[in-house]
Amino acid sequence: GENVEQHPSTLSVQEGDSAVIKCTYSDSASNYFPWYKQELGKGPQLIIDIRSNVGEKKDQRIAVTLNKTAKHFSLHITETQPEDSAVYFCGAGRRALTFGSGTRLQVQP
Amino acid sequence: DSGVTQTPKHLITATGQRVTLRCSPRSGDLSVYWYQQSLDQGLQFLIQYYNGEERAKGNILERFSAQQFPDLHSELNLSSLELGDSALYFCASSVGEGSYTEAFFGQGTRLTVV
Repeated sequence: GENVEQHPSTLSVQEGDSAVIKCTYSDSASNYFPWYKQELGKGPQLIIDIRSNVGEKKDQRIAVTLNKTAKHFSLHITETQPEDSAVYFCGAGRRALTFGSGTRLQVQP
Repeated sequence: DSGVTQTPKHLITATGQRVTLRCSPRSGDLSVYWYQQSLDQGLQFLIQYYNGEERAKGNILERFSAQQFPDLHSELNLSSLELGDSALYFCASSVGEGSYTEAFFGQGTRLTVV
């Protein structure tokens, strides 16, 4: 089955700085790569996703890049704000998603 | 509000017992997924149902089982509970069968086994 590794496990940045979270996956058949944000006491919420026929996607301050050859994808958050503080999960899959272990992002004001 | 409803929100039970967690998917969604999130752990995929049929299975223990009913709600049954089963259990739903479409997560059921 699919195996997803996510790094770093924790990330602390100053407000306004950029944050980058990286994931690798093992199954070359995976064709969908979403990123979810989980705030305290809530369920994960999709923030951006990318499909295997696209190399990069951007939505305001958030961007995701995908390298299918190397089997890795990354989340980039620019101009971070305190409200970006949360746990972020990457996912990969073809049918049901396999998620990484999560990155706890702390944005210091 | 994602539109996915999970009940109960909290559950405390003793070792050896059996519990049932319930999930109502978003209106129109045919797929239901169950995930387990242990303390400081990621989301572990358990099982997926699509329109009443099992579609994919993850690392689900034999003590756990699930089903999806004709009205598309789903139940996750956990039996012979152990302390290590304490976790957040999330249900997610999506329109399609595959993971190509956005999965919407519920608020989760926090299970505590004492």
